[in-house]
Amino acid sequence: GQNIDQPTEMTATEGAIVQINCTYQTSGFNGLFWYQQHAGEAPTFLSYNVLDGLEEKGRFSSFLSRSKGYSYLLLKELQMKDSASYLCAVFSGGYNKLIFGAGTRLAVHP
Amino acid sequence: DGGITQSPKYLFRKEGQNVTLSCEQNLNHDAMYWYRQDPGQGLRLIYYSQIVNDFQKGDIAEGYSVSREKKESFPLTVTSAQKNPTAFYLCASTAQGGAKDEAFFGQGTRLTVV
Repeated sequence: GQNIDQPTEMTATEGAIVQINCTYQTSGFNGLFWYQQHAGEAPTFLSYNVLDGLEEKGRFSSFLSRSKGYSYLLLKELQMKDSASYLCAVFSGGYNKLIFGAGTRLAVHP
Repeated sequence: DGGITQSPKYLFRKEGQNVTLSCEQNLNHDAMYWYRQDPGQGLRLIYYSQIVNDFQKGDIAEGYSVSREKKESFPLTVTSAQKNPTAFYLCASTAQGGAKDEAFFGQGTRLTVV
């Protein structure tokens, strides 16, 4: 089977750091994405990991451990505009099926 | 500029009618996907296609149909068999294989049954 798990909701303070976790169980693994989605809008790409380790891009970093089926998205220096849903997605299987977790709603408060 | 275009942005359908949502991309991507999103929920995969004239069912294909006659087009038909079609529909595309694949999304179609 296939399953992607993320926390449903998180809250954090402006200027702080937050880590959003994602665990997955899929038949085959060809890469993991993180997306940001504001309400009523399409998701926008944040990061892609296919090898173990940390990928850093400005205030956002993403980590992958394939042996543990685990990833996290790290957001630094939080801003109010970072309040959004964060979606973890995995390419799996021979047909490169792209499946998403249910998303984590992050609320940043002053 | 390259991208994905979904149309229309808003669509109203009467119960019992079929309706087709358009998705066109000029990114020369091989793979295309359709997702459904309900309020406060994640994206659920309806259908996907890796090459022209071939497509696979996703996790919630019942009540939907697709075609992939051209590389750049992947229309989705919501049939009358879909009992609860009101949702936000998103189309995406990716390059086939390789590293740094990024799924590009269209702006979505919000379908409402009236």
